[in-house]
Amino acid sequence: QQPVQSPQAVILREGEDAVINCSSSKALYSVHWYRQKHGEAPIFLMILLKGGEQKGHDKISASFNEKKQQSSLYLTASQLSYSGTYFCGTDTFTGTASKLTFGTGTRLQVTL
Amino acid sequence: EPEVTQTPSHQVTQMGQEVILRCVPISNHLYFYWYRQILGQKVEFLVSFYNNEISEKSEIFDDQFSVERPDGSNFTLKIRSTKLEDSAMYFCASSEFIAGGGYGYTFGSGTRLTVV
Repeated sequence: QQPVQSPQAVILREGEDAVINCSSSKALYSVHWYRQKHGEAPIFLMILLKGGEQKGHDKISASFNEKKQQSSLYLTASQLSYSGTYFCGTDTFTGTASKLTFGTGTRLQVTL
Repeated sequence: EPEVTQTPSHQVTQMGQEVILRCVPISNHLYFYWYRQILGQKVEFLVSFYNNEISEKSEIFDDQFSVERPDGSNFTLKIRSTKLEDSAMYFCASSEFIAGGGYGYTFGSGTRLTVV
């Protein structure tokens, strides 16, 4: 079943912050975050593993709550280049194969 | 940095025709995938491939679809008789187990398939 993201869309002014949430009904092995620009391939941002870890990449960070099967992506001091659609990807590794299931997507637009 | 290469970047085909989409995964990766994305919609899993066989496939991946790794480097997706609703961007990906646990995925730049 597909992970659910919220919000579906968000508009920010440059410099503002945003949080994107991802929730799964299945037990997760890891959570991946991607950003996709229109007509392009998803670009990998980061992977979070079991253990409630938090990661950061420049002004973008994320957390993973394994028990709640949820992850959140934090965008601080947003830049115009952050615009795009953000997808979480949940990995439900079964022991024989890894499979990434993409979330419903969050469209982010950063304006001047 | 290693890349997943997909060809062609665009393909236009007539309804009912067969198409083959090609991918060259990263050489030391062991898991291979096809995903598709209908314009403006979510990225959907089609199939995963490991050890020269299909590991898992989605409901979308019906008898019209097949995958092959013919020569140890290429990974192909064949659609036998294309339908209008097959029009989408098709992404190939490969993955490897990474230090600390988890699987790191690398996606190709995609093939835009248009069925007319």
